[in-house]
Amino acid sequence: QSALTQPASVSGSPGQSITISCTGTSSDVGGYNYVSWYQQNPGKAPKLMIYDVSNRPSGVSYRFSGSKSGNTASLTISGLQAEDEGDYYCCSYTSTTTYVFGTGTKVTVV
Amino acid sequence: EVQLVESGGGLVQPGGSLRLSCAASGFTFSSYWMHWVRQAPGKGLVWVSRIDTDGSITTYADSVKGRFTIWRENAKNTLYLQMNSLRVEDTAVYYCVRGVEYGSSRIGYWGQGTLVTVSS
Repeated sequence: QSALTQPASVSGSPGQSITISCTGTSSDVGGYNYVSWYQQNPGKAPKLMIYDVSNRPSGVSYRFSGSKSGNTASLTISGLQAEDEGDYYCCSYTSTTTYVFGTGTKVTVV
Repeated sequence: EVQLVESGGGLVQPGGSLRLSCAASGFTFSSYWMHWVRQAPGKGLVWVSRIDTDGSITTYADSVKGRFTIWRENAKNTLYLQMNSLRVEDTAVYYCVRGVEYGSSRIGYWGQGTLVTVSS
């Protein structure tokens, strides 16, 4: 199972909106509404930000939203803040009943 | 509060074995799917294995199939990963992860991880 494709890096200014893409196939992202997103800061465990494409767990800022179109899922961070810096990974359930993560995207607030 | 505490990591030679444990608290362990996910130093996240609520369903990544075994003891609120025939490429931080919600296998909440180093 190949990793889902994400851009290596995305940057934005405080207050701006950025979008991270996550491209897979019809056997994973496109086939199921089971895409999730995680934020990871250096030396820390990942934190769940979005699950089932667009659901936000309690405690996660409303500035984080998710969507999907075809084989590509997206995470949008609006009103970008310095605390949003970190690495972001998408993850999808697959047709072989396994899970596959994305390649990861480093978000920088400039 | 959901707490997942991994243990059992360390240095092992290629071909050796190691058993990881994950002690869970703050939720009804027996009601949640559980996973192991790993991350090699400086690399991305890789899903390793999952197990359903009573241990009757287990799934593995191709890279560990036949070498790793996942199981759980609900009476002890503990998840395990037995790792045999370890390879240098198995070196990683191993995370214990709980399903997002009751009965769901989607990957949700993470422990702090335990480092496994395979080296001679």
